[in-house]
Amino acid sequence: GAVVSQHPSWVICKSGTSVKIECRSLDFQATTMFWYRQFPKQSLMLMATSNEGSKATYEQGVEKDKFLINHASLTLSTLTVTSAHPEDSSFYICSASRTGEKLFFGSGTQLSVL
Amino acid sequence: EDKVVQSPLSLVVHEGDTVTLNCSYEVTNFRSLLWYKQEKKAPTFLFMLTSSGIEKKSGRLSSILDKKELFSILNITATQTGDSAVYLCAIQGGSEKLVFGKGTKLTVNP
Repeated sequence: GAVVSQHPSWVICKSGTSVKIECRSLDFQATTMFWYRQFPKQSLMLMATSNEGSKATYEQGVEKDKFLINHASLTLSTLTVTSAHPEDSSFYICSASRTGEKLFFGSGTQLSVL
Repeated sequence: EDKVVQSPLSLVVHEGDTVTLNCSYEVTNFRSLLWYKQEKKAPTFLFMLTSSGIEKKSGRLSSILDKKELFSILNITATQTGDSAVYLCAIQGGSEKLVFGKGTKLTVNP
């Protein structure tokens, strides 16, 4: 069964609004979670590493003020896309791993900004 | 900077064919190489490879890693239409994060 849960699966919003995406590890504690973005016909690109209890580490070119990451507990990380615009429309997916194991992916969130 | 290059980018075959997908990489402090299958949404895990020369096998799929030449291959024998997907190769270096290749889009026609 799924070990990483992501919600919502899809969201449509108006330009200028903010959208929050949740990622939960279901039966393990994840001190680190990862947020990826995938544009159509492109590969998964790492956006940021979410660290429980501390600031996220963003990859080059990712705006930290636009993509707010909060990892408030060992089982939950959230990604908030602030003031979303159509170019932010993409597939967002989180992942986490149990210690020493492979990464498990959430089911992903398809964001469409009108 | 860690890097993954997959080839071919796209491949069309007929059912029953055997295919080989390639993945070459550059990485600092290699930890593992992983293969994923992505159909519509989230990637599903296929293999994790950490040691050279040891083939991993699951049904019609198999994979092997060559750490000296820095590449891996994913083989699919007797392909079926259900194998149609994007196959992603990812490398894990010094940190836990994965760096993905662009993927190989496999289309299996009946």
